[in-house]
Amino acid sequence: GENVEQHPSTLSVQEGDSAVIKCTYSDSASNYFPWYKQELGKGPQLIIDIRSNVGEKKDQRIAVTLNKTAKHFSLHITETQPEDSAVYFCAARPRLYGQNFVFGPGTRLSVLP
Amino acid sequence: GAVVSQHPSRVICKSGTSVKIECRSLDFQATTMFWYRQFPKQSLMLMATSNEGSKATYEQGVEKDKFLINHASLTLSTLTVTSAHPEDSSFYICSASSGGSYEQYFGPGTRLTVT
Repeated sequence: GENVEQHPSTLSVQEGDSAVIKCTYSDSASNYFPWYKQELGKGPQLIIDIRSNVGEKKDQRIAVTLNKTAKHFSLHITETQPEDSAVYFCAARPRLYGQNFVFGPGTRLSVLP
Repeated sequence: GAVVSQHPSRVICKSGTSVKIECRSLDFQATTMFWYRQFPKQSLMLMATSNEGSKATYEQGVEKDKFLINHASLTLSTLTVTSAHPEDSSFYICSASSGGSYEQYFGPGTRLTVT
């Protein structure tokens, strides 16, 4: 089955700097890759996603890149702000697994003022 | 758009009692709903998937008689934890997806504490 790894597990950056979180997946048939932000005590919030037929997608300060050959995708946050501090989860949707997602273990991002 | 609510947000119950958690999609029809469990500082663990009007599909290791899931309408799914024990204490989160859509939208979660 699908396996999603995520690195780093924790990341601290200075306000204004960029943050990059990387995920790898094992099932080449996975076709959808969302990123979620989870603040303490809250449910995950979808922040950006990418489908397997696209290499890059950007939404203001957030971007996601996908390398299907290497089976990895990354979240890029530019001009980080303290409110970006949260746990970020990547996920993969195996094509033959219905609508279920397989989540990575998460990255705790701290943006230091 | 794509708002999912959960009720209650927090619940404390005594060991041996049952607790029901509601998940509602407020502005779209959720043909599929998912129930997750999350322990502190861990990732989301899928418990079951339910399609409206059908029986839920449970992940391996999840007891279907203990975690009863009902998805009676396109906007409501319920999770009932029966005969709860302290080890069932956790953060339970639902998500919803509409037909043909890849996206899942999550509710705010329910913190269950069993004493």
